[in-house]
Amino acid sequence: GQQLNQSPQSMFIQEGEDVSMNCTSSSIFNTWLWYKQDPGEGPVLLIALYKAGELTSNGRLTAQFGITRKDSFLNISASIPSDVGIYFCAGLSYSGAGSYQLTFGKGTKLSVIP
Amino acid sequence: KAGVTQTPRYLIKTRGQQVTLSCSPISGHRSVSWYQQTPGQGLQFLFEYFSETQRNKGNFPGRFSGRQFSNSRSEMNVSTLELGDSALYLCASSLTAGADGYTFGSGTRLTVV
Repeated sequence: GQQLNQSPQSMFIQEGEDVSMNCTSSSIFNTWLWYKQDPGEGPVLLIALYKAGELTSNGRLTAQFGITRKDSFLNISASIPSDVGIYFCAGLSYSGAGSYQLTFGKGTKLSVIP
Repeated sequence: KAGVTQTPRYLIKTRGQQVTLSCSPISGHRSVSWYQQTPGQGLQFLFEYFSETQRNKGNFPGRFSGRQFSNSRSEMNVSTLELGDSALYLCASSLTAGADGYTFGSGTRLTVV
């Protein structure tokens, strides 16, 4: 089955530093998504990428859809304490009969030291 | 606009029992997907329902089942619970299931003892 390799697994950074995390896949995806999950909550969509090579920003977050369609990265600039959480990449694939499903990476746990 | 509502938030069940979890999607959303989240396996797709029909199913045993009602609310059922079924069960809704995006609920934390 499809698998997403997300790295790093965890990061400890100083407040104000920039952060970078990435995802690679053995399969091609037509849509890449980045989610953030806070403790006790469901994932919240941060950025969606629809075209190979696309670079999209959402405030301090920037994500890119790799040219090969097998990878994506997420950057967070000038981190703040509320950036703490687990970040997931996800690839969206068509499963037939009008249905799609998400394949998730294992997540990057981000800790920000004030 | 209300978000995706999952009930209950927490459940403790005994091995061998069965459990039913509920999900109310965002108003107007017709697709409901279910995911299981565990520390070891991460987030894994269970199944997707659209207009009361299961359109897609992940690689889970038949003990895991679901249904969707005419108002798009969905339930999932796990029978003959095993310790390994302890997980956070997440429901996500979307207009049609696809690139229009998924909105997740806060999940139901199931503990099997």
